Amino acid sequence: AQSVTQPDIHITVSEGASLELRCNYSYGATPYLFWYVQSPGQGLQLLLKYFSGDTLVQGIKGFEAEFKRSQSSFNLRKPSVHWSDAAEYFCAVDGATNKLIFGTGTLLAVQP
Amino acid sequence: DGGITQSPKYLFRKEGQNVTLSCEQNLNHDAMYWYRQDPGQGLRLIYYSQIVNDFQKGDIAEGYSVSREKKESFPLTVTSAQKNPTAFYLCASTTWGQTNEKLFFGSGTQLSVL
Repeated sequence: AQSVTQPDIHITVSEGASLELRCNYSYGATPYLFWYVQSPGQGLQLLLKYFSGDTLVQGIKGFEAEFKRSQSSFNLRKPSVHWSDAAEYFCAVDGATNKLIFGTGTLLAVQP
Repeated sequence: DGGITQSPKYLFRKEGQNVTLSCEQNLNHDAMYWYRQDPGQGLRLIYYSQIVNDFQKGDIAEGYSVSREKKESFPLTVTSAQKNPTAFYLCASTTWGQTNEKLFFGSGTQLSVL
């Protein structure tokens, strides 16, 4: 069965610092992978997705993620965090079932 | 503008009461989904529907029911059998069969028990 693990429940970074949010998945083949962001009390917005091709994908708001098959990982990165990036981030996987399985989320706090 | 509308934003349920959460989309999407969100547990799939008049159970369907009489609408009923209904409920839609397409989400309904 497919699953997603986000090992970091809560991360705090300083504004301007770099960010990496971890995501590990479990699936027998190459899955479709997504990162979503959620502001408090709101729905989710897609940051980026991977389903084939170049393993480094660019998303909105300056985010990128790298698919590493050998590590079953799809970590999200941003070189310089802005205060407006404070939100909850969800990694998700779809093993060609048309059903997204979400991780438990990582709550990002940004210090001034 | 196209999008997904969930209503109400906040909903309160009394003991033994059924409540219905509304989800409407004008994106012409075939597939619609209901997720439940609890703090620290991420999103869990309740029900999903690929086409009108058809739907399947997700991972936590017990205590919930849905209908899909129109392409645009996918209401969720939280029945009295759901003993712990307090959560944030999210509706989503996408084009069925396009697994690389993103889900579009509504802004959610917060359900609380009185």
